[in-house]
Amino acid sequence: GAVVSQHPSRVICKSGTSVKIECRSLDFQATTMFWYRQFPKQSLMLMATSNEGSKATYEQGVEKDKFLINHASLTLSTLTVTSAHPEDSSFYICSARDQGTEAFFGQGTRLTVV
Amino acid sequence: GDSVTQMEGPVTLSEEAFLTINCTYTATGYPSLFWYVQYPGEGLQLLLKATKADDKGSNKGFEATYRKETTSFHLEKGSVQVSDSAVYFCALSSFYNTDKLIFGTGTRLQVFP
Repeated sequence: GAVVSQHPSRVICKSGTSVKIECRSLDFQATTMFWYRQFPKQSLMLMATSNEGSKATYEQGVEKDKFLINHASLTLSTLTVTSAHPEDSSFYICSARDQGTEAFFGQGTRLTVV
Repeated sequence: GDSVTQMEGPVTLSEEAFLTINCTYTATGYPSLFWYVQYPGEGLQLLLKATKADDKGSNKGFEATYRKETTSFHLEKGSVQVSDSAVYFCALSSFYNTDKLIFGTGTRLQVFP
């Protein structure tokens, strides 16, 4: 199947700093990308959906100023956690799909804020 | 709102044992149902899906049947292998918003030789 690469796989940052997570589709055009968050022993929760060249659509309860999503090209989306705090520590997963196709998932990024 | 409930793990089995991972859902309309698998260090992969009542999804020896009367989509495999050790996620996509996947909490399967 198609490959979605997510980087980094793990990151530790200090409280108050910002961290960027990249999601790349390696062999297809990702017209739509999705960002999820997973807390321990809980479901993956959709945070936002982005279409290339458009502003992301955030799910209810997700702070768009805190979780900045950029989808400037057909192969790259980034999630920036701004002014991170320990409660932002979580597992973040992206997925991507082209029009009319299934979504393919990245391997996830474990963020720890200390 | 729509939701998915799946059995907690880990599920620990010996090789060649029969596997069942339960999944039930709550949804309005007629959702599509999915099972995803995540192997260690990899992203989620679509394992199988069913889009309407009584459909059976199957792949790699795994099966699941869309049961509307019991709102269930249980995953089964007749004989598991060590290589099936992974985390399995049940999910649905809403009839009204097919872009949005709603996941269960995941069930870890450990198969020992």
